[in-house]
Amino acid sequence: GQQLNQSPQSMFIQEGEDVSMNCTSSSIFNTWLWYKQDPGEGPVLLIALYKAGELTSNGRLTAQFGITRKDSFLNISASIPSDVGIYFCAGLSGTQGGSEKLVFGKGTKLTVNP
Amino acid sequence: NAGVTQTPKFRILKIGQSMTLQCTQDMNHNYMYWYRQDPGMGLKLIYYSVGAGITDKGEVPNGYNVSRSTTEDFPLRLELAAPSQTSVYFCASSYSRGGNSPLHFGNGTRLTVT
Repeated sequence: GQQLNQSPQSMFIQEGEDVSMNCTSSSIFNTWLWYKQDPGEGPVLLIALYKAGELTSNGRLTAQFGITRKDSFLNISASIPSDVGIYFCAGLSGTQGGSEKLVFGKGTKLTVNP
Repeated sequence: NAGVTQTPKFRILKIGQSMTLQCTQDMNHNYMYWYRQDPGMGLKLIYYSVGAGITDKGEVPNGYNVSRSTTEDFPLRLELAAPSQTSVYFCASSYSRGGNSPLHFGNGTRLTVT
């Protein structure tokens, strides 16, 4: 089945540093999504990408939909302590109306030291 | 709007016991989902529903049952709890199933089976 390889698995950084994480797959996706999960809570959508090559920002977060449609990355600039959490990528494949499938990566656990 | 509400937040079961995880949403979403999250493994789809009276299996449905008698509620039933079902369970909902309709997650139910 379809799989997403998300890396790194975990990151330990100092406050103020930039962060980069990515997801790759051997399969093509129509939509890439990035979610953040705070400790003890459910994932919350950060950014959605709908077209190959698309670059989208949400505050200090920037994400890109890879040209090949098989990868995506998420960058966080000038990290702050509240960026702590698990970041998940998710890819949506198939066609609208019944065959769509959403696949999640295994997550990147981010720790920010003040 | 409360969004997606899950109860209970925590539960410990003995092997062979049964329980129902409750999920309700007040956003009038047609689509509802149950995921399980195991450490380092991302989110796996257990069951989903495209509307009241309609349910379908996801990737990992064995050992679980669901029902969807109303638009708002989507309970998940464990009939004979097993240690392999120790996990964090997330309920989610969306307006539709496409990439333009992201998932809204509840805060999860942490289940331990001993």
